[in-house]
Amino acid sequence: QSALTQPASVSGSPGQSITISCTGTSSDVGGYNYVSWYQQHPGKAPKLMLYDVNNRPSGVSYRFSGSKSGNTASLIISGLQTEDEADYYCASYTSTSTRWVFGGGTRLTVL
Amino acid sequence: QVQLVESGGGVVQPGGSLRLSCAASGFTFRTFGMHWVRQAPGKGLEWVTLISSDETNIKLADSVKGRFTVSRDNSKNALYLHMNSLRPEDTAIYYCARELRSSSSSGTWGYWGQGVLVSVSS
Repeated sequence: QSALTQPASVSGSPGQSITISCTGTSSDVGGYNYVSWYQQHPGKAPKLMLYDVNNRPSGVSYRFSGSKSGNTASLIISGLQTEDEADYYCASYTSTSTRWVFGGGTRLTVL
Repeated sequence: QVQLVESGGGVVQPGGSLRLSCAASGFTFRTFGMHWVRQAPGKGLEWVTLISSDETNIKLADSVKGRFTVSRDNSKNALYLHMNSLRPEDTAIYYCARELRSSSSSGTWGYWGQGVLVSVSS
């Protein structure tokens, strides 16, 4: 069981917007702004999409954005494209001895 | 461009040992914190360990404490994961990952290797 809770799957049509939630506790998501999101296509390494809640690394599309409220962080993808179909993982720093925790992952299907 | 190439994986019996290596290039290795993150087959991601750029800050996940150690050789641009007392639940793809920002240990994994498979089985 993962420390952070994500929906197992979400889906959307091309051009639509979707939101993936990531719920933790005050020891992780709620207590720090070190929340990041990763995209992983099948058989590939993860790719950083957002860091520090809502910052995009160079080269990541503006269609990806993030937010946080209390113990829940969110990844928003606007203008869905077929290439967005992948697994998405959130991660957070935690004050527990584990140090960094992930969500269980969300499978995004673009219909 | 940043490149991280893992090696050293394979099949090992329970209780055995293995050393993974990660060869880094395309950036000033000695200035970046480095991590290992693993992914069991068909499962999610799990952070394993951090070693800071100057080796003064080393953290290990509870699941591997006492069994795994991490080290780096800044003169060789290399990161290592020494795995002892391996268990079937350690079976996973092991990724080395670089911090996004230099001199940081925030756990923002900006660059990843392609991963190496470790299989623990009798």
